[in-house]
Amino acid sequence: KQEVTQIPAALSVPEGENLVLNCSFTDSAIYNLQWFRQDPGKGLTSLLLIQSSQREQTSGRLNASLDKSSGRSTLYIAASQPGDSATYLCAVESNSGYALNFGKGTSLLVTP
Amino acid sequence: DAGVIQSPRHEVTEMGQEVTLRCKPISGHNSLFWYRQTMMRGLELLIYFNNNVPIDDSGMPEDRFSAKMPNASFSTLKIQPSEPRDSAVYFCASSSAGWNTEAFFGQGTRLTVV
Repeated sequence: KQEVTQIPAALSVPEGENLVLNCSFTDSAIYNLQWFRQDPGKGLTSLLLIQSSQREQTSGRLNASLDKSSGRSTLYIAASQPGDSATYLCAVESNSGYALNFGKGTSLLVTP
Repeated sequence: DAGVIQSPRHEVTEMGQEVTLRCKPISGHNSLFWYRQTMMRGLELLIYFNNNVPIDDSGMPEDRFSAKMPNASFSTLKIQPSEPRDSAVYFCASSSAGWNTEAFFGQGTRLTVV
């Protein structure tokens, strides 16, 4: 069974800092990996999807990398802003399934 | 498209009552998922439909839970009878295929069973 782990569980940084969120998964046989953002009391918003054949994806200040062989992904947020405060979830779609296996998320707080 | 629409947004019910959660997927999407989110367990898949057919319901906790998808634009998740441990946020998600495409989530239904 695919296990997805995210560290740290919580992170607090001052505005303007660059930061990295980590995600690891146990089974490297994946179709893709997605990063989501969840605001309190809200649904999940997809940020980036990396196909298994890709190494990274970028959207604005966000960059996600994927190292499938080692079972790791990172989400890099450049020049963080208070509006980036949210929980960031990593999810993996395995070759053996069709649904996403989620980590428990990293709760990010960016202070002004 | 308005995205995945779930109703109600919040539901408070007494133990033993029947609860029905509703979902309208994005038009044209043929895969629909129900997830449950709790602090302890995070997001867990309950059931997956493809082309309105339940493909995998192994995540449904017990017989008290049932899900239907009578057509491509509507799905329900029913809990009968409800118990306090069912309290969670229930999310519906849809995608254009069963794998390797982006999943879009609804805003969720926060269920509280007292």
